[in-house]
Amino acid sequence: DAGVIQSPRHEVTEMGQEVTLRCKPISGHNSLFWYRQTMMRGLELLIYFNNNVPIDDSGMPEDRFSAKMPNASFSTLKIQPSEPRDSAVYFCASSLDRVEHTIYFGEGSWLTVV
Amino acid sequence: AQKITQTQPGMFVQEKEAVTLDCTYDTSDPSYGLFWYKQPSSGEMIFLIYQGSYDQQNATEGRYSLNFQKARKSANLVISASQLGDSAMYFCAMRDYTDKLIFGTGTRLQVFP
Repeated sequence: DAGVIQSPRHEVTEMGQEVTLRCKPISGHNSLFWYRQTMMRGLELLIYFNNNVPIDDSGMPEDRFSAKMPNASFSTLKIQPSEPRDSAVYFCASSLDRVEHTIYFGEGSWLTVV
Repeated sequence: AQKITQTQPGMFVQEKEAVTLDCTYDTSDPSYGLFWYKQPSSGEMIFLIYQGSYDQQNATEGRYSLNFQKARKSANLVISASQLGDSAMYFCAMRDYTDKLIFGTGTRLQVFP
């Protein structure tokens, strides 16, 4: 079975450029999460979707960040304009929406903004 | 507010020995799930084990077991017979009625021969 699929795996971009990270959740999962991981801040939840609807975006750092989920099989996280402090690993994860269900992670998108 | 605390930034264990990684949590919700994930140096997040708040018995998965003490709000991970490949970051996490998974800061485990 295919797991959570993220693209790109690695991205190096210049400050000020737009970055779009993509995620395909596991088929049948109705909860989708975007996390950011840095050495300083650890694993932070950015936004959580349930049935394609954003439920909690309180972790989104600022207006430069936006996320969409146009259908059950695709989500994007966009940063515009990007800044060096956005350099991090961005994980997408999916699950069924009950506390007992495991949340499965993609392999992450390693973003470097120079 | 939900909170996960891992107080051990790093742990060392000799190969074939057992090791316990500590985790405490805080939530006001009676229904919640506790998870442990492993993150090797390659970066992926690997699910290890799950414990539900209503589970009467401690969860086990192969060499992993979860020492669940509900009254103390602790969910320690026990790895038996450590292997060199167990060297990694280990994260404790909790999911409650909000459906979100909140992580602790992690413990870096080093297994030496």
